Amino acid sequence: EVQLVESGGGLVQPGGSLRLSCAASGFTFNTYWMHWVRQAPGKGLVWVSRIKSDGSSATYADSVTGRFTISRDNAKNMLYLEMNSLRAEDTAVYYCSRVQYNSYFDSWGQGTLVTVSS
Amino acid sequence: DIQMTQSPSTLSASVGDRVTITCRASQSISSWLAWYQQKPGKAPKFLIHKASSLESGVPSRFSGSGSGTEFTLTISSLQPDDFATYYCQQYNSYPLTFGGGTKVEIK
Repeated sequence: EVQLVESGGGLVQPGGSLRLSCAASGFTFNTYWMHWVRQAPGKGLVWVSRIKSDGSSATYADSVTGRFTISRDNAKNMLYLEMNSLRAEDTAVYYCSRVQYNSYFDSWGQGTLVTVSS
Repeated sequence: DIQMTQSPSTLSASVGDRVTITCRASQSISSWLAWYQQKPGKAPKFLIHKASSLESGVPSRFSGSGSGTEFTLTISSLQPDDFATYYCQQYNSYPLTFGGGTKVEIK
């Protein structure tokens, strides 16, 4: 069974930093692109970032480019999202997700809440 | 970026009703469309890919259709477990984008 478990969310002040983690199990992690998707309270889903299966390539939404960094450790089956210069508008539940054929999200974690507030 | 527009934003229906949700893309996305179901406080659940291909384990009362810019998700006979918010998502090009969601609530 595919399992994705996020951690690392919490309350952070504007301008601060946070590192999210996602532990993957139940599938061959190093063969899948992995993504982060976020959802602000009461709002819809927004794609944030993706990373290639071998970690050699990453892409970001314009809203987080230059502030967020996605990475992975295939030896540990872990996905990460380093978030810097956080803003109030980054407040959201962050989901890690496995993507099939780099296209649709077939498995999701339970999400971790990031709140940016003073 | 490709904009995805869902309608209606809220839909009130009764158990047993046939329900149709529409998703429109701002440009042609061929059949590169997925649908998800999300319940309050939970992660989205994948339902359909390539506009009409049902994920394994998803009840057959769910179906998808369309191509190009207009797509529909149909629930043939609404069940109590189906009251949720539904999202479409295009994967024709990056950035991947979602519709704003359609909340299906009890009438």
